[in-house]
Amino acid sequence: AQSVTQLDSQVPVFEEAPVELRCNYSSSVSVYLFWYVQYPNQGLQLLLKYLSGSTLVESINGFEAEFNKSQTSFHLRKPSVHISDTAEYFCAVSPYSGAGSYQLTFGKGTKLSVIP
Amino acid sequence: KAGVTQTPRYLIKTRGQQVTLSCSPISGHRSVSWYQQTPGQGLQFLFEYFSETQRNKGNFPGRFSGRQFSNSRSEMNVSTLELGDSALYLCASSVSGGGSQETQYFGPGTRLLVL
Repeated sequence: AQSVTQLDSQVPVFEEAPVELRCNYSSSVSVYLFWYVQYPNQGLQLLLKYLSGSTLVESINGFEAEFNKSQTSFHLRKPSVHISDTAEYFCAVSPYSGAGSYQLTFGKGTKLSVIP
Repeated sequence: KAGVTQTPRYLIKTRGQQVTLSCSPISGHRSVSWYQQTPGQGLQFLFEYFSETQRNKGNFPGRFSGRQFSNSRSEMNVSTLELGDSALYLCASSVSGGGSQETQYFGPGTRLLVL
């Protein structure tokens, strides 16, 4: 079984300041790691994912996350936030699997509020 | 290409009733998963369907069921509704369900309120 802990439920930050949203996971098997974003009254959108290879992954809108296996963490960072980044962010894991079914286990989410 | 669509978007029911929610995946996607999102429990996996077969099920009571049709569209049903079933129900689709590295694309959700 897997579990995901997002250490901060709410993070307020001023516009153009850097931000880090923390995510730790627990799993008895190897996992893939994901960050999803949910804007108000919308579904979830994939922000970025780590499957293998370089432990630093980037999204097209300036976010990046680094997989740290020893600390079982996958923190999300952005060097300079914009008002439009205001949303709820979910960290999720999925166990390795072959051509079979899979499911995402989500953290409770972190609400990022960007203050003008 | 159209995204994942869910109908209806909003629904109000009373305790004891049953409800059916519908999900149309992205064209060409064959795997459909359902999730329940509540303020208290967060996002929880309900079940996943692939080629009309349920392949995986989360820890929900038997009142929650689903099915998938030959065109990959999926429905979920909740019988004997309880107040605690009030939630946002999200559907997600992926291409082939060929591995957990695949990206799941989420619909906007159906917001269910049980009175």
